[in-house]
Amino acid sequence: AQSVTQLDSHVSVSEGTPVLLRCNYSSSYSPSLFWYVQHPNKGLQLLLKYTSAATLVKGINGFEAEFKKSETSFHLTKPSAHMSDAAEYFCVVSEGDSWGKLQFGAGTQVVVTP
Amino acid sequence: DTEVTQTPKHLVMGMTNKKSLKCEQHMGHRAMYWYKQKAKKPPELMFVYSYEKLSINESVPSRFSPECPNSSLLNLHLHALQPEDSALYLCASSQVDEKLFFGSGTQLSVL
Repeated sequence: AQSVTQLDSHVSVSEGTPVLLRCNYSSSYSPSLFWYVQHPNKGLQLLLKYTSAATLVKGINGFEAEFKKSETSFHLTKPSAHMSDAAEYFCVVSEGDSWGKLQFGAGTQVVVTP
Repeated sequence: DTEVTQTPKHLVMGMTNKKSLKCEQHMGHRAMYWYKQKAKKPPELMFVYSYEKLSINESVPSRFSPECPNSSLLNLHLHALQPEDSALYLCASSQVDEKLFFGSGTQLSVL
């Protein structure tokens, strides 16, 4: 069975400072891992995807995530937050034997202050 | 075209109404999905169509009826809904076993 835990429900950062969103997963197989972002009243947009090609994954808008198998983690980072980064972020896991069934984390609300 | 288009954006309906949500994509994706999202919660999978056949039904009540007329279109027919069905309904598409592209959703209110 697969599961995903986002360790922070709410993160507040100042504009221009680093952002760290933490995600731990549990999976019986080699998982695919994703980060999605959702701005208010919008659908979800894919930030990045890990599928075992490289442990450090670069995504859109300056985000990147590092896959650490030993820690079962897939944390999302950005060196310098922008006001437009204020949104809800979801860590998502998918296992190869359960295609179509993504397991979403509970989400992390990011607030960016000037 | 990398968009998933959902209509309408907003819908208000009574418990005795029949309405339909529509979703369209022109990316050649062969899998399409319906998700339900309540406020401040992650999306919950409702249905998955793969190659125009229903492949996953997450035990959704029969008052929700999906339809996939062709590989580009996905509908969700609504009948006799309850107020607790009020939510954001998201459509998504993907190539099989690939990343999902989401539409902006239909905000549904059931009175």
